[in-house]
Amino acid sequence: AQSVTQLDSQVPVFEEAPVELRCNYSSSVSVYLFWYVQYPNQGLQLLLKYLSGSTLVESINGFEAEFNKSQTSFHLRKPSVHISDTAEYFCAVSAATGNQFYFGTGTSLTVIP
Amino acid sequence: SQTIHQWPATLVQPVGSPLSLECTVEGTSNPNLYWYRQAAGRGLQLLFYSVGIGQISSEVPQNLSASRPQDRQFILSSKKLLLSDSGFYLCAWKRTGLNTGELFFGEGSRLTVL
Repeated sequence: AQSVTQLDSQVPVFEEAPVELRCNYSSSVSVYLFWYVQYPNQGLQLLLKYLSGSTLVESINGFEAEFNKSQTSFHLRKPSVHISDTAEYFCAVSAATGNQFYFGTGTSLTVIP
Repeated sequence: SQTIHQWPATLVQPVGSPLSLECTVEGTSNPNLYWYRQAAGRGLQLLFYSVGIGQISSEVPQNLSASRPQDRQFILSSKKLLLSDSGFYLCAWKRTGLNTGELFFGEGSRLTVL
């Protein structure tokens, strides 16, 4: 089975500052990796995903994540955050040949004006 | 386009009462379907998933059960609720046969057991 560890439960950051949300995974097989965002009392929305190919993946709103197989990590970064980025962020892993998706415990990002 | 609906959105139930949460997907056929529970500070816990009608896989033994009576319908049930069943329940779907696909989530059902 696969598992995900999000190392930071809460990350406060000032507006326009850079941010990194950390995610490490564990798996004995090839995996796909995902970052989802959740706004209060809503479902989860896909932010970006790594399936294969380039290890650096980007979202349309300025986030990026880099797949690092040797460190089993998939950290999410943004060079300059906005107030609207305040939300809960979840890292998820899925086996390349499986049906299950496993999520981390989430990181609450708070952008301070 | 595909859509996913969950209901009810909010539910307050006494301990020992039954539960039924419903999830329906529109605009696709034979999706994989999932139930997750989100408890405060504990992330998303995979409860059940289904790859077809009547096919249910349980990830954790507990007080809940799931059924898939129709291709695009997924139901989460309990005969007797416990306090620990409180949480935010999320239904999700994925295209079948496409292992590279992501999950698409519904808006969630918030259950409070008193």
